Amino acid sequence: ELKVEQNPLFLSMQEGKNYTIYCNYSTTSDRLYWYRQDPGKSLESLFVLLSNGAVKQEGRLMASLDTKARLSTLHITAAVHDLSATYFCAVATGGGADGLTFGKGTHLIIQP
Amino acid sequence: DSGVTQTPKHLITATGQRVTLRCSPRSGDLSVYWYQQSLDQGLQFLIQYYNGEERAKGNILERFSAQQFPDLHSELNLSSLELGDSALYFCASSVGDGGYEQYFGPGTRLTVT
Repeated sequence: ELKVEQNPLFLSMQEGKNYTIYCNYSTTSDRLYWYRQDPGKSLESLFVLLSNGAVKQEGRLMASLDTKARLSTLHITAAVHDLSATYFCAVATGGGADGLTFGKGTHLIIQP
Repeated sequence: DSGVTQTPKHLITATGQRVTLRCSPRSGDLSVYWYQQSLDQGLQFLIQYYNGEERAKGNILERFSAQQFPDLHSELNLSSLELGDSALYFCASSVGDGGYEQYFGPGTRLTVT
């Protein structure tokens, strides 16, 4: 059974600081997704990583994938308050189909 | 706005009842996925359809069923409802069935009393 673990599950940080969220998964997969969810809202797609060594950046967020280590990271650079949200990583269940197994989410609070 | 629509937004019903949730995917998307989000279980994949055919099953209970129609909209049927079925149900869509970005709808909040 595929397991996806995120850490930390809760993170409070100050504006302007850098931090990294880690996502480990238990079985082979080369499809890794990052989503953002604001309170009471739906999930917003941030990144889709489809190969070993993939790196994608959008604004202050950068995601990477190491399929050999079964690890993805979401790095936040010079955090701003608007990035406060819950961040989920998810891994495709494989076999060609694409149902996602989600981590528990990282609740990120960025304080001025 | 992702382009995925879901109705209704909220649903309150009693235990033992049956409800139907509806989802319309983004224009051009052939895959539809259903997910359940609850405080206890987190986000769980229920089922995927691709171009009308069931493609993958996740943690979907036998009391739940889904289908995708020729116009590609999908319905999730939940029957013999229990208190524990109270959750947010999301539909997502993607253009294909492997390695594509999944766009989530706004969700249907189901409350079982």
